[in-house]
Amino acid sequence: DQQVKQNSPSLSVQEGRISILNCDYTNSMFDYFLWYKKYPAEGPTFLISISSIKDKNEDGRFTVFLNKSAKHLSLHIVPSQPGDSAVYFCAASGFPGTYKYIFGTGTRLKVLA
Amino acid sequence: ETGVTQSPTHLIKTRGQQVTLRCSSQSGHNTVSWYQQALGQGPQFIFQYYREEENGRGNFPPRFSGLQFPNYSSELNVNALELDDSALYLCASSPGGDGDEQFFGPGTRLTVL
Repeated sequence: DQQVKQNSPSLSVQEGRISILNCDYTNSMFDYFLWYKKYPAEGPTFLISISSIKDKNEDGRFTVFLNKSAKHLSLHIVPSQPGDSAVYFCAASGFPGTYKYIFGTGTRLKVLA
Repeated sequence: ETGVTQSPTHLIKTRGQQVTLRCSSQSGHNTVSWYQQALGQGPQFIFQYYREEENGRGNFPPRFSGLQFPNYSSELNVNALELDDSALYLCASSPGGDGDEQFFGPGTRLTVL
């Protein structure tokens, strides 16, 4: 049972354009969402997070949007840069007393120069 | 500040053997989580340790066990290895407290033949 889904395994975007990565979840108990970026041979690196009490969080070129009614979140990267090429994982949390994350399967982003 | 480190980086074992993977958490972090990432999948939560006590467990059999030491470093032990245990094993530490993101190590690539 995949509680966090990233339905696009890959995405290619031209440098300078917007990258939009999507994530859907099924468990309404999730109350904290995160995006991680992973380069080959490295562990995932935290990128940005959002609490369920917000619908938008922005950090530089990265913005995460949360639509609780649709159980959907998205990560926008503007402008996209070749160094953003990586696998992006969406993760959700909501288990009181623990920090258990449920990850999606990832989207491989390729930013073309 | 030293980040999360894991050892070894790569390991090859045969079916039925036992393996121990090690993780040193980031300085000041008292919580360690272990994840299994199979090829093409997102990380799956195995278990978490908080101040040397198990603090949540995912859907993994008892032959997956762990320890956390007084210095908050941790071990993951897997007994009776199966072919499907071949994966990247990630350790993540966090400082504790609501909403703290987890910081991942580079992982240990385990191959079971």
